[in-house]
Amino acid sequence: SAVISQKPSRDICQRGTSLTIQCQVDSQVTMMFWYRQQPGQSLTLIATANQGSEATYESGFVIDKFPISRPNLTFSTLTVSNMSPEDSSIYLCSVAYSGTGHEKLFFGSGTQLSVL
Amino acid sequence: DQQVKQNSPSLSVQEGRISILNCDYTNSMFDYFLWYKKYPAEGPTFLISISSIKDKNEDGRFTVFLNKSAKHLSLHIVPSQPGDSAVYFCAASSLTGANNLFFGTGTRLTVIP
Repeated sequence: SAVISQKPSRDICQRGTSLTIQCQVDSQVTMMFWYRQQPGQSLTLIATANQGSEATYESGFVIDKFPISRPNLTFSTLTVSNMSPEDSSIYLCSVAYSGTGHEKLFFGSGTQLSVL
Repeated sequence: DQQVKQNSPSLSVQEGRISILNCDYTNSMFDYFLWYKKYPAEGPTFLISISSIKDKNEDGRFTVFLNKSAKHLSLHIVPSQPGDSAVYFCAASSLTGANNLFFGTGTRLTVIP
């Protein structure tokens, strides 16, 4: 398993501003992901954070809105840009170790974001 | 379109009794299923999984049953304990790779002492 530190744990932001969420893992991991859970909804994959290259975004998510960095194998950031109230969600960092077939995901504690 | 559905948003069970959480899916290509548990202010943690080649997998008090013909799986917790009170997410995938997991909306289980 992995110890995943995610911060901030929560924030209240004004419309039009941006927030950067950090994810730090205690060991090198092959795969890092960012998920979103909107109120009453399931966990939805935003993107795969690729080390040293551009993130791979899922349908409905774009780099301009959710820029992601992954400078090394233990750290990633997600920025929620130009926020609106619809961005109010829990944002979760997750990691997986490859080579085991169907990988299990390990999650950070999440960032509760409220946009006014 | 929600490919994994948990139609019961909440469930209350008496301590010591059985808790049964249900999950339905629509994609017949799913071949691997997982359950995650989430406590408040924490991220989801992996609980138990099952491959489509099996119809049952047991781990201590937790058992997952898979009915492929009905596209239905369930998680049984016996006996239920107050510490089991959490939100339970069902997830499914059709390909290897952690980026191919589809999650349900979760069921909040409350175990009453």
